[in-house]
Formats: sequence, C-alpha cells, structure tokens
Amino acid sequence: AQSVTQPDIHITVSEGASLELRCNYSYGATPYLFWYVQSPGQGLQLLLKYFSGDTLVQGIKGFEAEFKRSQSSFNLRKPSVHWSDAAEYFCAVGAVQGSQGNLIFGKGTKLSVKP
Amino acid sequence: GAGVSQTPSNKVTEKGKYVELRCDPISGHTALYWYRQSLGQGPEFLIYFQGTGAADDSGLPNDRFFAVRPEGSVSTLKIQRTERGDSAVYLCASSPPGPGELFFGEGSRLTVL
Repeated sequence: AQSVTQPDIHITVSEGASLELRCNYSYGATPYLFWYVQSPGQGLQLLLKYFSGDTLVQGIKGFEAEFKRSQSSFNLRKPSVHWSDAAEYFCAVGAVQGSQGNLIFGKGTKLSVKP
Repeated sequence: GAGVSQTPSNKVTEKGKYVELRCDPISGHTALYWYRQSLGQGPEFLIYFQGTGAADDSGLPNDRFFAVRPEGSVSTLKIQRTERGDSAVYLCASSPPGPGELFFGEGSRLTVL
C-alpha cells in the first residue's frame, strides 16, 4: 500500500539548533516528493520538491531535503532554526505519472522552537 | 495576484443538513483538488478535476459527497446529510498544467453538531 510515515509527531528544538524531520514512504512507482509547511490558520505552503536529478534539493526559508532511494526516505533539514519556523510540517508523495494531484500526505510533525 | 480562495472559512451546521463549500482557484490553473484534513492528521485526497471533469474521485468517502466544476474554474464541494464525522478542514488546491506543486487555499473548517 502507498503510504508516508513521519515518525515524529512533535519535535522541540532550541533556536539556532539544527533540525532534521524524518519522512519515509512506500510507493510502487517512481515518486515525486514534497515537503509542505502549515502555520496555524494558514494554508499549506510548499517548502521544496523532488522530481528527478540531484538528490539534494534546496527549498525556501533555508530548508533542504535529501532523497535516498535505497532507504525510501526524504528527510528535511535546516542548519539553524528560527523561532518563526515553528509550524507543522508535512511530507507528501505523488506519482510521476498518472493522477498528479493524488498526493499522499504523512500525518505531520509539529515543530516547537525554544528561545 | 490572488491565491486559492475558499469560502466560507468556517461553517457550523447541524447533523443531517446540506453544506456547500466553494473554491476559487488561481487564474489559469487547469487542475483543481479537494482534500480533507481531520484533527491531528495530514490532508487526505478527495477528488481531482482536470478542466471540468473529475479525473479522479477515488477519495470521496461515500455518495453523500459530490463535487462539481461546471466551467472549469470555480468548484463546489457538496455534502448531503452531514454527519458529525464529516467535521474537518476541507482544503482546496490548484495547479498549472504539468507536474508540479499544488497551491493550497486556507481551507474551510466544517463543524457538524
């Protein structure tokens, strides 16, 4: 079955510390991979995406993610977290071919930032 | 430069009532999607339109849920005989032609009492 697993429901980091949010997927076809961020009362905003090519992708707000096919992972990283990064983060996977809109989302990881 | 617009932002209704949620996508985006996000969960796919037609409605939970996009732009999600379990945030997204990111609206929060 197709699925996305985000093992960490809630993570707390200190401001300025590094961050890694984990994402593992199970998908039969070649996947597209996405990370979205959702702040309270706001819509989902795309942080970055992987379609093909370089497996290390850069996104907005200083985030990056690395696609590791052998581990079926697409972990999100940031070297130094800012208080404004506190939000909920969702990993999503979609098919390279077929219904492009049928993204499967993980349950999300809520990030809290300590001053 | 408007984004995806969803109305109403909040809707409270009673069990058994009929509800309509509206989505106005970004101009020029041919694809439109509806997702549902329950508390503590990620968004779950409901239906996807390419133009006026539903290209994939495999996520609609049952026949009480129906969506239309008659002119290939605005879409309406219709829920009949609402149940308390329908309470969730209903998200709409649109995208331009070709594979790429989905642009999400802020959602319509539905509460069924």
